[in-house]
Amino acid sequence: NAGVTQTPKFQVLKTGQSMTLQCAQDMNHNSMYWYRQDPGMGLRLIYYSASEGTTDKGEVPNGYNVSRLNKREFSLRLESAAPSQTSVYFCASSLDPGLWTHGYTFGSGTRLTVV
Amino acid sequence: AQRVTQPEKLLSVFKGAPVELKCNYSYSGSPELFWYVQYSRQRLQLLLRHISRESIKGFTADLNKGETSFHLKKPFAQEEDSAMYYCALKGSGGSNYKLTFGKGTLLTVNP
Repeated sequence: NAGVTQTPKFQVLKTGQSMTLQCAQDMNHNSMYWYRQDPGMGLRLIYYSASEGTTDKGEVPNGYNVSRLNKREFSLRLESAAPSQTSVYFCASSLDPGLWTHGYTFGSGTRLTVV
Repeated sequence: AQRVTQPEKLLSVFKGAPVELKCNYSYSGSPELFWYVQYSRQRLQLLLRHISRESIKGFTADLNKGETSFHLKKPFAQEEDSAMYYCALKGSGGSNYKLTFGKGTLLTVNP
């Protein structure tokens, strides 16, 4: 049982390059999320998908786009990477908006550096 | 707006000493609060939910609505407790599936 799987684990980009961070969950969860983690800032929500077919902006959506490809997969795209997007990115999922038996399940993170 | 405040960025204690990680929240309704833990270079894991009132790894947390606090406590810290701890608040209404996180407290337990 893999839980939430993120790829890649590490990535270095040059300013202006684009890339897509992949996230997949095998727990039949309905809701998925992308957070970024920065020192002294905690975790900030970038985008989320309450259910398959829906996506919404979080606190810090600028410079990012997302796709909820199907119930399992939720990708995060950086169209033109900037040094300010250097961060650790976490994907998470939850069973259902109203059910909080286990809260979120997190992926292991993607460490992104933009030079 | 809902907000979670963890006033201490860093907390250092000695092994066997009591530890308390502070969390205060701002929320107009009935809150649901969580503690997450992140060990070095690992993914975040759920430690506690206030609803369950359970004790995990010796940690407990009590919701105090009067003081709008949800402090995490352990009577005798262990070296393996060294980690980053995040307090989180579940949203309400149209945001009832989102968690708002505090900025985290890095706990170091010294031998």
